[in-house]
Amino acid sequence: EAQVTQNPRYLITVTGKKLTVTCSQNMNHEYMSWYRQDPGLGLRQIYYSMNVEVTDKGDVPEGYKVSRKEKRNFPLILESPSPNQTSLYFCASSLSSSGSNGNEQFFGPGTRLTVL
Amino acid sequence: AQSVTQLGSHVSVSEGALVLLRCNYSSSVPPYLFWYVQYPNQGLQLLLKYTSAATLVKGINGFEAEFKKSETSFHLTKPSAHMSDAAEYFCAVRPSFSSNTGKLIFGQGTTLQVKP
Repeated sequence: EAQVTQNPRYLITVTGKKLTVTCSQNMNHEYMSWYRQDPGLGLRQIYYSMNVEVTDKGDVPEGYKVSRKEKRNFPLILESPSPNQTSLYFCASSLSSSGSNGNEQFFGPGTRLTVL
Repeated sequence: AQSVTQLGSHVSVSEGALVLLRCNYSSSVPPYLFWYVQYPNQGLQLLLKYTSAATLVKGINGFEAEFKKSETSFHLTKPSAHMSDAAEYFCAVRPSFSSNTGKLIFGQGTTLQVKP
């Protein structure tokens, strides 16, 4: 089954304790992205990756890191989490970043992170 | 900068009634447009997309949306609401120009409540 998976689904942690949220897709997609969802703000892009070893900042990158060593994986790293990073995080992937068919993004199930 | 506005953070309809969720975008060039649905504790699922092929787009679960360039709108409709339609709905745009980053720009979301 074609899908985007994220782990963990739920995480409660404390300020300053490094954590990684994994994201994996099995569709051989070139493009991957991380979003955070906050009430009243919709989803905002954190980082994206056009392909292996190609990553760039989105709209709200502060406090986050990413890497893209393999095509299927795109982990999100919080080196020193803070309470304002408490949010619902989604990983997404699409065939590419452009294309005339719109290239819809496929979303993972989400990771609910609470930073105390 | 491109933006998306969803009018009404909460919409309540009776079962069997018409569903109308409003979305307006700002763009000088018609972008790609999407409607996603998010059921409780789940990721985002694509309902439908506009890619300039036809202005009236039919999606899954009986939903459809009409692209109106003159009004910069892409409202989502369904003739008869079902209890299972209760969810949060997001309108999103992706710029169609070639230099875009693939980012989706989301509206704030509209929660649809369906009353028996």
